[in-house]
Amino acid sequence: AQSVAQPEDQVNVAEGNPLTVKCTYSVSGNPYLFWYVQYPNRGLQFLLKYITGDNLVKGSYGFEAEFNKSQTSFHLKKPSALVSDSALYFCAVREASGNTGKLIFGQGTTLQVKP
Amino acid sequence: DGGITQSPKYLFRKEGQNVTLSCEQNLNHDAMYWYRQDPGQGLRLIYYSQIVNDFQKGDIAEGYSVSREKKESFPLTVTSAQKNPTAFYLCASSRESFSYNEQFFGPGTRLTVL
Repeated sequence: AQSVAQPEDQVNVAEGNPLTVKCTYSVSGNPYLFWYVQYPNRGLQFLLKYITGDNLVKGSYGFEAEFNKSQTSFHLKKPSALVSDSALYFCAVREASGNTGKLIFGQGTTLQVKP
Repeated sequence: DGGITQSPKYLFRKEGQNVTLSCEQNLNHDAMYWYRQDPGQGLRLIYYSQIVNDFQKGDIAEGYSVSREKKESFPLTVTSAQKNPTAFYLCASSRESFSYNEQFFGPGTRLTVL
């Protein structure tokens, strides 16, 4: 069965410092991996995705993520955090060979960036 | 929120009532989805539709119903059979479901049972 784990409920960083939000996944075949961000009382916004190829994926707002097949991880990173990055972040996975569009979401990680 | 509208933004329901949440998209996407979001539980899939006039149950379909009569519309009805309907409901769409296309989300409807 497919699953996604975000091991940290909350991540706290100081503005200007690098940030990492962790995600590990489990699928039986090759994965498609996604990161979304949610601001309070809003829908989810797509940040980036990994399909195939280069393990380092660059996305919106300066975010990037590194796919690591051996560790089954897809951690979200940003070199220099902004206070405006404070939000709820979701990792999601879909099995590449699956016959539906079902995304499996992690439980979310709240990122708090302090000035 | 990418061409997907949900209404109303807030909805209050009395026990025993059915309510319908609207979802419309102008992205010409084939696939549409309904998710339920509860604090600390991420998003859970209620129903999804890959094409018009076809839909499938997700992981938590009990107490919900949907229709897909038009490509751009995918309304969700929360019936009185849903025992704990208070939640934030998110609609999404994607170009097609058998692919790596990302899903685009609407702004959500917050349903509260009084």
